[in-house]
Amino acid sequence: EPEVTQTPSHQVTQMGQEVILRCVPISNHLYFYWYRQILGQKVEFLVSFYNNEISEKSEIFDDQFSVERPDGSNFTLKIRSTKLEDSAMYFCASTEQGMATGELFFGEGSRLTVL
Amino acid sequence: QQPVQSPQAVILREGEDAVINCSSSKALYSVHWYRQKHGEAPVFLMILLKGGEQKGHEKISASFNEKKQQSSLYLTASQLSYSGTYFCGTAVGNTPLVFGKGTRLSVIA
Repeated sequence: EPEVTQTPSHQVTQMGQEVILRCVPISNHLYFYWYRQILGQKVEFLVSFYNNEISEKSEIFDDQFSVERPDGSNFTLKIRSTKLEDSAMYFCASTEQGMATGELFFGEGSRLTVL
Repeated sequence: QQPVQSPQAVILREGEDAVINCSSSKALYSVHWYRQKHGEAPVFLMILLKGGEQKGHEKISASFNEKKQQSSLYLTASQLSYSGTYFCGTAVGNTPLVFGKGTRLSVIA
């Protein structure tokens, strides 16, 4: 069964360092997303990406964040200068049809710990 | 604006039923239900589009009342495997899903 894969599964970094989280969405999917989940809390939308550009972003997704699809398979989330409050599980997700009607497939997540 | 889920938590014995509610102040196009087990990614359960349809998935079903902007998830004859946190996600048009805070369900033997 096709799946969304994410790397790394866990990353520990020092405050102020740059972090890149990587995702390989399901191959025939067209819509890509990043969500995050602070421990024990809800899943929060960060950004959506379609047709090689950001389609929507939340207020969490400030100038410290960026996304890129550098090639035909990878989808990356970069945090330029990490803060303590960036510690969370980051989920990549993809869907074939768009959010309103399509099942959202989540990756297993990348746990980011900022010290 | 995030949907509101209730209850926040529920404890069931195996075989008991539960209802989890999700409501929004905005007119909804679709409601999605996901279950997340501890330390894992959310897993899709079902999607309901506007039209008041009820869907089923094993012993888990859901309804969507678009007039009231509410959805309910029904778990019948609960099993230990149903334990987890249930999230509803709502979409207005083709906007990204916004999830509620979740309902933690614990099924005990």
